[in-house]
Amino acid sequence: DSGVTQTPKHLITATGQRVTLRCSPRSGDLSVYWYQQSLDQGLQFLIQYYNGEERAKGNILERFSAQQFPDLHSELNLSSLELGDSALYFCASSPGYLALTPGELFFGEGSRLTVL
Amino acid sequence: AQSVTQPDIHITVSEGASLELRCNYSYGATPYLFWYVQSPGQGLQLLLKYFSGDTLVQGIKGFEAEFKRSQSSFNLRKPSVHWSDAAEYFCAAFPTTNNNDMRFGAGTRLTVKP
Repeated sequence: DSGVTQTPKHLITATGQRVTLRCSPRSGDLSVYWYQQSLDQGLQFLIQYYNGEERAKGNILERFSAQQFPDLHSELNLSSLELGDSALYFCASSPGYLALTPGELFFGEGSRLTVL
Repeated sequence: AQSVTQPDIHITVSEGASLELRCNYSYGATPYLFWYVQSPGQGLQLLLKYFSGDTLVQGIKGFEAEFKRSQSSFNLRKPSVHWSDAAEYFCAAFPTTNNNDMRFGAGTRLTVKP
């Protein structure tokens, strides 16, 4: 158990819909990262937050957005869903800002999104 | 462009045999390097990491990795594979400059034959 909690574990929805994925980082971790894992794209970095502020952006679509709340949990919002958005979405956390305190990422078990 | 390459998509080894999974990186300066393992239906778990110093690093579950600057490689090894090692293995790199983008290789799926 990594200490990172993601909900829901599974989600099935239709094209055009909007969903929200939730992540609770390990106790004390300030950084939250979102990754998308699909068969054809592998593990892609989407976005990172540190203590409530966006710190880095990867291959995140404009239809997707995220935020980190004062209690440090994070949400990833996916809108106008397309079939190609079907993937496993991982949240990871780390104690600090990786550039200053390099260390491992602690991954949750992922949220599997299926868009029909 | 910064990238991590795992040349082998799928490797099959017999239980008890040795294992080496390859990883190459392309960065301007040597990044921090990691190996993660993902068991079916699970998240990623860190096996080991290299920041600096000794180029042979030991990890959990009997794994080790060797950093070779001249080859821009960070290959993962295990002397004797167990059936429970069957999983997907990801090499990852993180630049030492002010950037939070940790990049992962495409992964290598390990199958262990009895």
